Amino acid sequence: GQNIDQPTEMTATEGAIVQINCTYQTSGFNGLFWYQQHAGEAPTFLSYNVLDGLEEKGRFSSFLSRSKGYSYLLLKELQMKDSASYLCAVKDSNYQLIWGAGTKLIIKP
Amino acid sequence: GAVVSQHPSRVICKSGTSVKIECRSLDFQATTMFWYRQFPKQSLMLMATSNEGSKATYEQGVEKDKFLINHASLTLSTLTVTSAHPEDSSFYICSAQGLAGDSYEQYFGPGTRLTVT
Repeated sequence: GQNIDQPTEMTATEGAIVQINCTYQTSGFNGLFWYQQHAGEAPTFLSYNVLDGLEEKGRFSSFLSRSKGYSYLLLKELQMKDSASYLCAVKDSNYQLIWGAGTKLIIKP
Repeated sequence: GAVVSQHPSRVICKSGTSVKIECRSLDFQATTMFWYRQFPKQSLMLMATSNEGSKATYEQGVEKDKFLINHASLTLSTLTVTSAHPEDSSFYICSAQGLAGDSYEQYFGPGTRLTVT
């Protein structure tokens, strides 16, 4: 079967750095996505990785290792507005998105 | 960037009635649209995938006669919840994808919160 694993909840302090991990087992791989979702709102796109390595975009970075079936989302200089759920999703061989259950990130002052 | 709209954003209906939700891609042609449902504190659950001009593909456990999906044009897909019941109350989100097999992102609509009383 296909599976995406990420921690259910994480807590971090404002101004700090947090890393949210995602491991996957899918039938084929055509890219990995990270989305941010605030409560009551639709997901918004954060990043896309299809090749191994680190993609940096401002305070957010995403890393991928295809051989390990592993990705992480790194958030720097955390702000209170970063409190949200972070969803990892993998596009499989049929180009269908397989979604993780999401990681709820709680930022404390 | 690509914009997807949904209408209505919120709807309250009585049990037994039907509700139609529209999803539009405003500045691009969406060959594929996806309908998701999300219950409180849970992740997205894909309900169905629709390609323009063809029948939708429903995920296991989703009743196709209850959740009618129409993708009549490259910019519009509709989801009709027929004979709605309180357990259908949820956050319904559509997303749209451009080219078939596009490796890039799905663009999400803002979601529709359905409450069935």
